[in-house]
Amino acid sequence: AQSVTQPDIHITVSEGASLELRCNYSYGATPYLFWYVQSPGQGLQLLLKYFSGDTLVQGIKGFEAEFKRSQSSFNLRKPSVHWSDAAEYFCAVGEDNQGGKLIFGQGTELSVKP
Amino acid sequence: DGGITQSPKYLFRKEGQNVTLSCEQNLNHDAMYWYRQDPGQGLRLIYYSQIVNDFQKGDIAEGYSVSREKKESFPLTVTSAQKNPTAFYLCASSISSGAQHFGDGTRLSIL
Repeated sequence: AQSVTQPDIHITVSEGASLELRCNYSYGATPYLFWYVQSPGQGLQLLLKYFSGDTLVQGIKGFEAEFKRSQSSFNLRKPSVHWSDAAEYFCAVGEDNQGGKLIFGQGTELSVKP
Repeated sequence: DGGITQSPKYLFRKEGQNVTLSCEQNLNHDAMYWYRQDPGQGLRLIYYSQIVNDFQKGDIAEGYSVSREKKESFPLTVTSAQKNPTAFYLCASSISSGAQHFGDGTRLSIL
């Protein structure tokens, strides 16, 4: 069955430190991969997406993610975290034959220490 | 500006009552989706629609109904058959297999 795993439920980092949020997926063919961010009581905002081509993708707010097919991973990174990055982050996976449906991970809550 | 509008932001339901959540988009997207989000959980798909006048059940469709009479609109009705309706409901839209764009959500509570 298709699935998305975000192993870390909650992560705390210091402001200015680097960040890596993990995402592993189980999917058939070539997946489409997404990272979204959600602030409390708000909808989800797209950070970045991967469809094909260069496996290192750049997104908004200084985030990037790398698709590693051999590891079935699509980890999100940021070199220097800002206090405003505190939020919930969701990884999602889709596929061509799924009619646009996405499977979402459980989310990782990021806290930022001053 | 193009986007997705969900209304109301907060909604309260009495026992035995049906309530309808509104979702409108002006992005000219063909596909629309409804998700339910519970605290500490990811998003679970309730219903989705790829074209007007057609929709499919998602993973947790029981107790919910939808319609897609217009491309721009995809209302969700939470029926009295849904015994645990308290949750945050999110609507999204996309072009075929593209990235989904989300509204700001509706929080439904039981009186």
